[in-house]
Parts: sequence; C-alpha cells; structure tokens
Amino acid sequence: QLRLQESGSGLVKPSQTLSLTCAVSGGSISSGGYSWSWIRQPPGKGLEWIGYMYLSGSTHYNPSLKSRVSLSVDRSKNQFSLKLTSVTAADTAVYFCARGGAAVPTAQGEIATWFDPWGQGTLVTVSS
Amino acid sequence: QSVLTQPPSASGTPGQRVTISCSGSSSNIGSNTVNWYRQLPGTAPKLLIYSNNQRPSGVPDRFSGSKSGTSASLAISGLQSEDEADYYCAAWDDSLDGPVFGGGTKLTVL
Repeated sequence: QLRLQESGSGLVKPSQTLSLTCAVSGGSISSGGYSWSWIRQPPGKGLEWIGYMYLSGSTHYNPSLKSRVSLSVDRSKNQFSLKLTSVTAADTAVYFCARGGAAVPTAQGEIATWFDPWGQGTLVTVSS
Repeated sequence: QSVLTQPPSASGTPGQRVTISCSGSSSNIGSNTVNWYRQLPGTAPKLLIYSNNQRPSGVPDRFSGSKSGTSASLAISGLQSEDEADYYCAAWDDSLDGPVFGGGTKLTVL
C-alpha cells in the first residue's frame, strides 16, 4: 500500500523559504506515470491546491502561488519536494502531499483529476 | 471564498440518509468530473468518490455521488457516528487551469 509522509521545517520566519519533502513508501515514485501534488489547508479553513509535477520535470502551479513555488523530485530517494519563497503569515497551514492532481481527459471530453493517497500533513507556521 | 460552494454544515441521525450539495459553474463541475473527500478530525482528507460516482476500493456503497449540470451531490445512507467529519467536493477548473475545492461541509451525527 502506497504511503506518503511529509517532513520539513515546522516554523519559518517571514520572508524566508518554506521547504518540505514528501517521502513515498510502499511503491516506487517512478512507476505508473503519476503526477505528484502539494495541497495546503490554513487552520480551520478549506483546501487549496498548490501545484503538481511529473517525474519528467514538468510542473503546473496554482496561478496565485506560481511566482513563489517550485517542485522537484529525487528519484533515488523516492521523494519529491516543495519550496515556497517569501512566506508571510498567510502561508501558515497544514501542508499535504498527495499522488495525482494532473488533468486526465476522459472519453466524454471532460477532465478528471483526483488526489489519492494523501500524506498525513505537516503544520508549517510562519512567525518571527 | 472557495470556487465551489458547499453548505457549511449538515446533520442527521443514525440510520438516516443525508445529502451534501456542491455548486459550481460551467468552467468546473459543468464540464469536468467531481470528486469527494472525507476528512476526519485531525487527519488527512481521504478520497471517497471520484469521477462523479465511482467509489475507490474499500469505500462502502453507503456513499454515492451524482452530478447534474453545474451541481453535484454526495449521499450517505445508513448514517453512522463515524461518518461525522468534514466533506469536500473538488473538480478541475478550466479557468484556473487546476483543481479547485469546495469550502467543506461539517457533518454532525446527532
């Protein structure tokens, strides 16, 4: 069973860079041609998609965060990572990694996308 | 303000059938498939329904999804106390060019 686990700095100062890693176990990140995503959830609020990437290096980001986000992968360690620059208090949230998120055209002409499975999430607080 | 609109709360008694609605637009639900996630307190969301009405392996058939036009619904029959959680709808949005979520519905089992 595929499992994802986030890790990284839990406290980041304003204007600095948030860095998180998602370790994948129970399967290879390189198999299946899946996309890999980051999603966040501010305390007591809803979910916001941050971005996804393919192992080819192709990335796709939420336009509201695009100028500050970068995703990368380390195949040898079976993990992928998130960097978010110039953070503010508004970036305080639980950050989740997940498999999926990319657009998959259906035979009916629609786009299907979903996230499964998810990591347990890690709280990142932006504060001086 | 979330792109998809859900009622903030819903409730039901054990054994009852409840539905949670999700309203969108032609750029998301109206032209793409809908997913539903369940988030138990303090845990990560879990995929409950994908592609409008498909259940992942392990999800009981008490949970069903439907879509009509620019709206979707999640129905839970035979309500159980462990169904008390937050439920989120999601879909691809052509304008954003990415996935969007509803604001979530907190389901209380009375």
